[in-house]
Amino acid sequence: AQKVTQAQTEISVVEKEDVTLDCVYETRDTTYYLFWYKQPPSGELVFLIRRNSFDEQNEISGRYSWNFQKSTSSFNFTITASQVVDSAVYFCALSGTNTGNQFYFGTGTSLTVIP
Amino acid sequence: ETGVTQTPRHLVMGMTNKKSLKCEQHLGHNAMYWYKQSAKKPLELMFVYNFKEQTENNSVPSRFSPECPNSSHLFLHLHTLQPEDSALYLCASSQDTTNTEAFFGQGTRLTVV
Repeated sequence: AQKVTQAQTEISVVEKEDVTLDCVYETRDTTYYLFWYKQPPSGELVFLIRRNSFDEQNEISGRYSWNFQKSTSSFNFTITASQVVDSAVYFCALSGTNTGNQFYFGTGTSLTVIP
Repeated sequence: ETGVTQTPRHLVMGMTNKKSLKCEQHLGHNAMYWYKQSAKKPLELMFVYNFKEQTENNSVPSRFSPECPNSSHLFLHLHTLQPEDSALYLCASSQDTTNTEAFFGQGTRLTVV
């Protein structure tokens, strides 16, 4: 079974604080892909990152960084020095080789950055 | 601008109405999707089209009827909906159906009264 759990429903931080969004996944596939999407108030989901299951290297893109750990089935997302524009709902998603391109999304974490 | 455009952005319809949602992608992708986003629930995949052929129908009620006339356009025809069908309907596209990232439109906020 494929499942993504985002245990944090809502998070509030003060601007310039660092914040980590947790994502835990379950899959029986040996090859799979993990994604993060951002959903601002305008509604569309904006693609942030895709990682495949064979690449556990952490990735940094500006203020964003991702920590992928197969041992704990986690793919956490950290925003450094948060800004008000980071306020959005963030979704973690999983796609396996046996499911075509069917994404399994978590329920999302709503992040509010307070100025 | 993600290259995926959905119209209308907002729609209010009665339970006896017939309406259609439209999605257009300008990315040259071959796969298109309809997702439903309800409050407090994970996004639900409804339909998948790959090269204009429907490849997935996730047990969606027949009051939702998709149409994909070409790889760039996707429609969702609605008729005799229920109030619980009120949700944000998101269209997405991807290069193909091999785990590539999907690009989403801004969605249609549907309210059934």
